[in-house]
Amino acid sequence: TQLLEQSPQFLSIQEGENLTVYCNSSSVFSSLQWYRQEPGEGPVLLVTVVTGGEVKKLKRLTFQFGDARKDSSLHITAAQPGDTGLYLCAGAPPGSGNTGKLIFGQGTTLQVKP
Amino acid sequence: NAGVMQNPRHLVRRRGQEARLRCSPVKGHSHVYWYRQLPEEGLKFMVYLQKENIIDESGMPKERFSAEFPKEGPSILRIQQVVRGDSAAYFCASSPIIWGSDTQYFGPGTRLTVL
Repeated sequence: TQLLEQSPQFLSIQEGENLTVYCNSSSVFSSLQWYRQEPGEGPVLLVTVVTGGEVKKLKRLTFQFGDARKDSSLHITAAQPGDTGLYLCAGAPPGSGNTGKLIFGQGTTLQVKP
Repeated sequence: NAGVMQNPRHLVRRRGQEARLRCSPVKGHSHVYWYRQLPEEGLKFMVYLQKENIIDESGMPKERFSAEFPKEGPSILRIQQVVRGDSAAYFCASSPIIWGSDTQYFGPGTRLTVL
């Protein structure tokens, strides 16, 4: 059972379209992080959301943390081919104490076609 | 990827051989994490180490896998008697302090292929 469920798993869109990726859980997280991973590389942190209801923007990317801190979304406006990659949400599992370990969703593979 | 170094980047082993994966954290970071990623999947936590100590190894398989982070030198993930199911990308991450919301910097990974 995945503690963090991402949807959709795969997304193929045309350049200029908008898209939203979801990260859902039945558990409360103190924070959630979004990473982007390109083929052959390690994940790179995009953003950390901490407060319920928080919205953060990073150029054309908008991240939202649910009010109950059980879910998060990533919205990309006017997608470009350079946005292609694997998007991962991650968080410290409930009850993990201060170990710092992260659990990851299974990822959303985004392909933006020119 | 903020300076985390992993080597080798690619490693090919035959079944039964040993695999040693090395990770040098960002300078000044004393916390190291190892994750495994199977194709088309997210990362799975394996182990969390501080210098000379294993703090959490709840994600490590009980047999054949071990990890260390000595006082001097890189962190090592060791897989003995590899099997085909060990083929995956292994990522190391480091952080300066342990709170869950702090950034973990990931290395580029080691892709292990077991023939």
